[in-house]
Formats: sequence, C-alpha cells, structure tokens
Amino acid sequence: SQELEQSPQSLIVQEGKNLTINCTSSKTLYGLYWYKQKYGEGLIFLMMLQKGGEEKSHEKITAKLDEKKQQSSLHITASQPSHAGIYLCGADYNSWGKLQFGAGTQVVVTP
Amino acid sequence: GAVVSQHPSWVICKSGTSVKIECRSLDFQATTMFWYRQFPKQSLMLMATSNEGSKATYEQGVEKDKFLINHASLTLSTLTVTSAHPEDSSFYICSARVGGGTLSSYNEQFFGPGTRLTVL
Repeated sequence: SQELEQSPQSLIVQEGKNLTINCTSSKTLYGLYWYKQKYGEGLIFLMMLQKGGEEKSHEKITAKLDEKKQQSSLHITASQPSHAGIYLCGADYNSWGKLQFGAGTQVVVTP
Repeated sequence: GAVVSQHPSWVICKSGTSVKIECRSLDFQATTMFWYRQFPKQSLMLMATSNEGSKATYEQGVEKDKFLINHASLTLSTLTVTSAHPEDSSFYICSARVGGGTLSSYNEQFFGPGTRLTVL
C-alpha cells in the first residue's frame, strides 16, 4: 500500500480560479515539502512544513499541515498561467531528509 | 535564494562507458545531498544519500557498484554511472539540504535542474 497519496492526479482550472492539491500520509510526517516541476526540468522549492497546524504562504500559494502531521494541502488563489506545471509533495519521515514523493498533480490553467 | 547546479544537463553515451554527473550547491553548504532518478511521467525515486566525508548510503535495490557517489566537499557531490547500459537511461536529479547556520531555511532542500542520460 502507498504511504503517500497525492490528489488529484490532474487539474484543469480557469485562469483566476482557485485550486487545491492534497497530500495524505499513512504515517506521521517529520516534514512535508512542496515543489513545482515543469516536465523534464528540475524541482522548484515552494515550501517546507514541519510543525503540526503550520501554515505558510508565498505570493498566491498557501500550504498547510494538519495537527496530526499526516495531511497537507496546497492552495493557489486566483490561478495564473505561470502556475501551470506538476506539483509534487515530498515526505520526510525521520528527519534525515530522504524524501518520498507523491505521484504528482498536473495543473493546467486555461484562459 | 539557494541554488543547486548540475552538470552536464544532458549526456549521450555508448553502452559500456561511464558517465559522471556533478551536483553543486552554489551559495550554501550542504553536508547532505541526495540523488534521485525519474522515469518519464513518473515521480522521483530516491537512489542514495550522499554525506560529506563519509560513504553514501543506498536505497534498497540500487547497485552501489554501478552508481558510485562521492561527496568531496560541502558543495560538491558526484554520481558516476559505471558501465552504463540502455536501461540506465533516465533523468537524474540531485538535491542539497541546508545544514546549520541559516535557521530560517534549516532542513530546506533544493534541487538541481537534472541531467538527462541517454545510453545508446
């Protein structure tokens, strides 16, 4: 069984609309990382969450980690074409920094 | 911000040859670097953990004699794919973890742009 599940697999959103991506772990997390990737390129660091109930924001992107540290969400407000790409959550289970990644969410922003 | 570079960005080689990929943290020290592999339209799979001054630790199923890792300094780790074969063709990405000294970004992990290896 998968320890880390990311949903949805893909998302088509109209420009200006909000979107949310979820990442759920079957085990308690030490830390949860969010990245954005364009196909065939490296990962762009978005945010890292380590404390239960923590919430971080950068520009129009907000990420939250629940109190139990097993579920995280990434929320984009008023999406723009620049938000298109593949979003990946990475789970650190033991503080060693070894990340286990979710399957990714492909985000398409339409005019 | 924290920048990680990889070189080369792409490489094509003949079967049986060895290929070295470099991963550098440009503006911070990284006591720990990681090497990942990504197949087309799939997520990243951790291959190994590279620690400065000590031997790398490999994930289950990764051949340490095929994928040689050297962490020569706090800013450089190298991955050498030895006797490469077509099945080694993949996208290899490294990451570097921020160590002590910068409390605001401690434990943050930054990725390189990746290296696409094609073995003919």
